[in-house]
Amino acid sequence: GAVVSQHPSRVICKSGTSVKIECRSLDFQATTMFWYRQFPKQSLMLMATSNEGSKATYEQGVEKDKFLINHASLTLSTLTVTSAHPEDSSFYICSARDLGGQMNTEAFFGQGTRLTVV
Amino acid sequence: LAKTTQPISMDSYEGQEVNITCSHNNIATNDYITWYQQFPSQGPRFIIQGYKTKVTNEVASLFIPADRKSSTLSLPRVSLSDTAVYYCLVVPTGTASKLTFGTGTRLQVTL
Repeated sequence: GAVVSQHPSRVICKSGTSVKIECRSLDFQATTMFWYRQFPKQSLMLMATSNEGSKATYEQGVEKDKFLINHASLTLSTLTVTSAHPEDSSFYICSARDLGGQMNTEAFFGQGTRLTVV
Repeated sequence: LAKTTQPISMDSYEGQEVNITCSHNNIATNDYITWYQQFPSQGPRFIIQGYKTKVTNEVASLFIPADRKSSTLSLPRVSLSDTAVYYCLVVPTGTASKLTFGTGTRLQVTL
């Protein structure tokens, strides 16, 4: 089945630095990927929709200048948390759908990235 | 986007059957019903998907009534390793529409 790989699985960074998280679709092309954020014991909250070759669409309340999304190819989307602060510490998850596959309604999720800002 | 409503939490003993019901009153004709399982610090994992009636796989069964305004995920003989959060989502077919997660149901299985 289709696989979405996310890297790194966990990262610790200092306040004020930037962190990049990669999301790859391993065996299918994803024109659209999604980035979620999840706080402890809460549900996934959609942050933005990443579109290959165009600007990302951000959900209300999500700062686009802080969470930079780049979707330069059909298999890779990146989320960069800029000038990270402790309140950015969270679990970040990416997702993609294989619209060309048989189960084109199935969304595949990455393993998640645990970001800790100290 | 169809909104889903499901119980916040459920408890079960090992070996019992667990049924989690989800309401999706505004489901559209081209929407599929999909259930995901999530363990702590992991991304959601696909469990089962259906459009109507009953679907069964090696992990679970999914029951969908004729009006499709609700669905029930059935987990036979749960074990401790089934302790997780279960999310019901309504997914439109053929488009890259964003998926919005509801609260999910936190299932706790004990001995």
